[in-house]
Amino acid sequence: EAGVVQSPRYKIIEKKQPVAFWCNPISGHNTLYWYLQNLGQGPELLIRYENEEAVDDSQLPKDRFSAERLKGVDSTLKIQPAELGDSAVYLCASSLLAGEHTQYFGPGTRLTVL
Amino acid sequence: GNSVTQMEGPVTLSEEAFLTINCTYTATGYPSLFWYVQYPGEGLQLLLKATKADDKGSNKGFEATYRKETTSFHLEKGSVQVSDSAVYFCALILTGGGNKLTFGTGTQLKVEL
Repeated sequence: EAGVVQSPRYKIIEKKQPVAFWCNPISGHNTLYWYLQNLGQGPELLIRYENEEAVDDSQLPKDRFSAERLKGVDSTLKIQPAELGDSAVYLCASSLLAGEHTQYFGPGTRLTVL
Repeated sequence: GNSVTQMEGPVTLSEEAFLTINCTYTATGYPSLFWYVQYPGEGLQLLLKATKADDKGSNKGFEATYRKETTSFHLEKGSVQVSDSAVYFCALILTGGGNKLTFGTGTQLKVEL
């Protein structure tokens, strides 16, 4: 069974530029998560989707971050404009159902903002 | 609020040594507990989990027991290998808590020959 797929794996941009990350969850997984992992820290939830609906986006900085999950499968996380402090690893995870606690993570996208 | 506290790393061990990584938690309810492992350049992988008190999760020679009385979930392995070198994250999730995983800061393990 294929795992969670993310692209790109690495991205280097200059500040004030836009950037987008893509995630394809495990087939059949209804719940999708985006996490932010700063260096030396554990991941922190940015947003959670149940199918197409964002059910928890309380930690998403909405002034510059946006996300979408069209058709309840793939998801895109966007930053516009990027700031130096956005340099981090962005992780996508999925789980089978809302009540299923085991989350499966993708390899992440490492963003460097210069 | 909910939180997870892990021992600071790096932890450096010789191959075949015994490993303990301490993890304690604070939760407003009755959590499920997890250990995730992150190998260099890779995403987090679920290592083991326990969903109720006194449950023991185990995988690949690692084990951890859910201790409600001490709010702990320490990770142990009897004989580590160089290939176990990675960062280990303890995490919790609350039933009815929106499936939000709360992670510790991670503990880096280095195993040397």
